[in-house]
Amino acid sequence: GEDVEQSLFLSVREGDSSVINCTYTDSSSTYLYWYKQEPGAGLQLLTYIFSNMDMKQDQRLTVLLNKKDKHLSLRIADTQTGDSAIYFCAESMLRDDKIIFGKGTRLHILP
Amino acid sequence: GAVVSQHPSRVICKSGTSVKIECRSLDFQATTMFWYRQFPKKSLMLMATSNEGSKATYEQGVEKDKFLINHASLTLSTLTVTSAHPEDSSFYICSARGGGGSREFFGPGTRLTVL
Repeated sequence: GEDVEQSLFLSVREGDSSVINCTYTDSSSTYLYWYKQEPGAGLQLLTYIFSNMDMKQDQRLTVLLNKKDKHLSLRIADTQTGDSAIYFCAESMLRDDKIIFGKGTRLHILP
Repeated sequence: GAVVSQHPSRVICKSGTSVKIECRSLDFQATTMFWYRQFPKKSLMLMATSNEGSKATYEQGVEKDKFLINHASLTLSTLTVTSAHPEDSSFYICSARGGGGSREFFGPGTRLTVL
């Protein structure tokens, strides 16, 4: 079946790198996404990667995709207090056009 | 980039009343719109998919008579929560997608509180 898994919590010291991991089960996904949700707000698309890519970098964000292991990660360099949020991993399915979300990882920044 | 808006952003209503939430695509034509519900500490759950001019397709377990969806134009979809109960309190998020396999853009969400 379709499933996207990610750890629920991550604590990182300010200035360090944060790495949020995600695994998915369906190999027919087309796009894989990372969304950020700040308290009380909707989703903000951070970045996405097409399924035939291995890596995408956008300023402080680096996305790595391992299709063989069905593993996606988001690295945030030089983590700041403003990065404190819930990060959702999601995949879109080729066959029925749905997006499947993980439960979200809450990133907590330590001073 | 594409913008999707929702109105209202926050609504409080009494139990038994109906609430309408609007979702608009502001700078593109959305052939498909999606409605999601977010439960506390849980991920987004897709409620229904609507294509402009046709009936919405509901996910299993979602009551179509309770959550009425109308996608009357290429830029507007509405979700009406009928006879709302406190357990309907949640964060409702819509998204919109244009044609040709384009990406999905999310609205900012509407927080519904039913007293």
